[in-house]
Amino acid sequence: NAGVTQTPKFQVLKTGQSMTLQCAQDMNHEYMSWYRQDPGMGLRLIHYSVGAGITDQGEVPNGYNVSRSTTEDFPLRLLSAAPSQTSVYFCASSSSGTQSENSPLHFGNGTRLTVT
Amino acid sequence: SQELEQSPQSLIVQEGKNLTINCTSSKTLYGLYWYKQKYGEGLIFLMMLQKGGEEKSHEKITAKLDEKKQQSSLHITASQPSHAGIYLCGADSGTSYGKLTFGQGTILTVHP
Repeated sequence: NAGVTQTPKFQVLKTGQSMTLQCAQDMNHEYMSWYRQDPGMGLRLIHYSVGAGITDQGEVPNGYNVSRSTTEDFPLRLLSAAPSQTSVYFCASSSSGTQSENSPLHFGNGTRLTVT
Repeated sequence: SQELEQSPQSLIVQEGKNLTINCTSSKTLYGLYWYKQKYGEGLIFLMMLQKGGEEKSHEKITAKLDEKKQQSSLHITASQPSHAGIYLCGADSGTSYGKLTFGQGTILTVHP
């Protein structure tokens, strides 16, 4: 039971570098999302997807790109990393974008990103 | 946009003590979710509340939704070190499909 798998677990980037945070789920969930977690600010929604080929912006989308070519994968791309993007990133999925006890969000274990 | 405010931001208790964490929304709550996070891990779903006055329990954790006050409380009875972690409340906006908002979290430390 893999659930939601995020890679890598840790990453250090220099300002201006690009990278992709990977997220894969094996539960056939239609809804996937990316959050960033910063001290004292809780989780903030970056981008989300309600199905393959469909993505939309969340609360803090600037500096990030996403695509959803398959149901299983939802990668998050940083085109030109900035120190302000230092954070812990969580990918989550559920069977529905409207949460319920039957379809809560399932979270990955996070990627801790440092941009110097 | 909907905002969720949690209080307290951090809490240190002795094992065996009871405690309460509050979550207040700036808008009407259509669904309120409680998650727990252990350090270095993702969030684990605890329970969901939808109806005003609804109360649910999971082991020694009880959550209640006061719809009129747009507030939810999470109560832990006889706390144990295993209860330590970060508790986050989350809410569905009810208008924008897929946009879920979370509070800033409450850090709970339980001393044995």
